[in-house]
Amino acid sequence: QVQLVQSGAEVKKPGSSVRVSCKTSGGTFSSYSFSWVRQAPGQGLEWMGGIIPIFGAANYAQTFQGRVTINADDSTSTVYMELSSLRSADTAVYYCGRDRSGSDPYYYYDMDVWGQGTTVTVSS
Amino acid sequence: QSALTQPASVSGSPGQSITISCTGTSSDVGAYNLVSWYQQHPGKAPKLIIYEVSKRPSGVSSRFSGSKSGNTASLTISGLQAADEADFYCCSYAGSNTPVIFGGGTKLTVL
Repeated sequence: QVQLVQSGAEVKKPGSSVRVSCKTSGGTFSSYSFSWVRQAPGQGLEWMGGIIPIFGAANYAQTFQGRVTINADDSTSTVYMELSSLRSADTAVYYCGRDRSGSDPYYYYDMDVWGQGTTVTVSS
Repeated sequence: QSALTQPASVSGSPGQSITISCTGTSSDVGAYNLVSWYQQHPGKAPKLIIYEVSKRPSGVSSRFSGSKSGNTASLTISGLQAADEADFYCCSYAGSNTPVIFGGGTKLTVL
């Protein structure tokens, strides 16, 4: 049974950066696409970006271009998301999700395995 | 790109059917048969219940069904159960620049 296990909660100061990890256990890693989706308190889901480890290059939502970096480490089956220049509006639960098919073409929109979520709080 | 448009809330009684709409544009919902739906219970991660407009992942109840007409996708839940009470989000592929766009979410209340 594949699981995505995310790193723990973070409290950060405005202007700083946060890095959240998402480790795959019990399944194939590099042939799937992985996305990062965040959810601010009481708000909806927002796609931030994604990566296909077998190809290496990440794809980012325009809203987060220049502020988010997503990368993958094949040796540990882990995907990372780093968000910089944090502000209070970045306070949210951050989820990683893996696509359903694990095959080309990759569309990112059909995530059938999710991490447990990581709460990031930005406060002075 | 703006979020897809969903009603903020819908409600129904046990055993009834409800439909949640999801309106996009000719650049996302209307352009691709790549619409998915997620169910999210409070404090939990989203769960994929529909992909490719109308397909159900293994293990998802047949009471959930999806469709699309033009720029609007729909999720229908038949035989409502108390356990269906949750937030529902539509999602669409929107091209290579920003591949994924979500709807604003719909809160389903089972009366």
